[in-house]
Order: sequence, then structure tokens, then C-alpha cells
Amino acid sequence: ETGVTQTPRHLVMGMTNKKSLKCEQHLGHNAMYWYKQSAKKPLELMFVYSLEERVENNSVPSRFSPECPNSSHLFLHLHTLQPEDSALYLCASSQTTGVTEAFFGQGTRLTVV
Amino acid sequence: SQQGEEDPQALSIQEGENATMNCSYKTSINNLQWYRQNSGRGLVHLILIRSNEREKHSGRLRVTLDTSKKSSSLLITASRAADTASYFCATDRAAGNKLTFGGGTRVLVKP
Repeated sequence: ETGVTQTPRHLVMGMTNKKSLKCEQHLGHNAMYWYKQSAKKPLELMFVYSLEERVENNSVPSRFSPECPNSSHLFLHLHTLQPEDSALYLCASSQTTGVTEAFFGQGTRLTVV
Repeated sequence: SQQGEEDPQALSIQEGENATMNCSYKTSINNLQWYRQNSGRGLVHLILIRSNEREKHSGRLRVTLDTSKKSSSLLITASRAADTASYFCATDRAAGNKLTFGGGTRVLVKP
């Protein structure tokens, strides 16, 4: 248990659906991240939030929409996804965006059908 | 392209043997971290080594960093079946706020 909780753990959605992934941390961290992990590919950083402000957006398609309402919660809103978006989506948090370790949630296994 | 690249991609050893994996990176870094991931789960932080450090130990783990060669190694001594996992290096670049991961080394420790 790392202190970062992701829900749901598994999600199957159709290409026309809208769903949201949720991440929650109560570690008092100021930075939160979304990563995508596809089979046989390195972890891809998607978004970085620092003090609830988005500081990094790695050319992620607009069908992925992040939201950080406060420093403890991070959402990833999904709509009109493609089958190639199927992956493990990992949320992480760290004290700051600088030289600190990241704490990861267990991930949401997303399957787009 | 990815900042860190691990070598080898996969490693199979017997319990009790040592496992060594390497990570190479391309740009200047503030620190380098190693993480472990059990199949389909989140990553767990193992150890952080700063750019001005050359070696660090944590239990059965030993990490080295050679900034002149832009490389790091992770040694797991006296491996156990429970060490079976994927191991990733991650770098925090000197400029920017990205923690960038390599492709990982899959380690299988056979009992």
C-alpha cells in the first residue's frame, strides 16, 4: 500500500463511452502524474500537475482530459477512445516535481472494445 | 525517444545468484531512481541516487552511478523468488520536471 489509490482497478469501455479514472492521495504531496503503460513500451508520461496546476502535457490526444480539483485528487476523463488506448493507466504523486521519489497507485487496467 | 534504457531486457537466474541490470541515459540529470513493478501492478520505489553520488546501498540492493558514462547499474544480491519483477530506472532531468522511465528489465528468479 503506497498511499495512492486508483479506482476502478479494471475498466472495459466501448469506443463511444465516456468514463473517468480516479486517483487519490493523502500523503500531502503537491505533484500528481498520469502515466500510460502499454505492452512492450516504456511508461509514457501523460500529464503532470503541480499544486493543482497542469505543468506538463505530453502531446496527449484530446480524448484524454485530466482534472485536478485539489491537491489530493486527480481524474482522467475518457471519451471516444480507440482500441489502441487499451493499457494500464498509472497515477503517481510526489512531494514536488523535483528530486523526490514518486509513489504509484496500483493502476487501472483499461480495455477499449 | 526515451531517456533511460535498461539492459538486458530480460534476465533469468537461480535463487541465490546475483542479478545485475544496467541503465543508460542521454541528458544531464538531477538524480536517478530505480523502481520495481510486479506484474500488472503499480511501481514501487527502491532507491534514489543523486548526480553527485557514485554508489548507494539499501539492503540487498546496490546502485552505482557513472555520470561521465551516463549509466547506472542495479545489483540485487542473493536473489529470491520474490524478487521476480520488472525493474525500471527513471531519471529526473536537470531541466524540466519530468520523471522519465526506461523500458525495464524483466527479472525471473527461479526457485
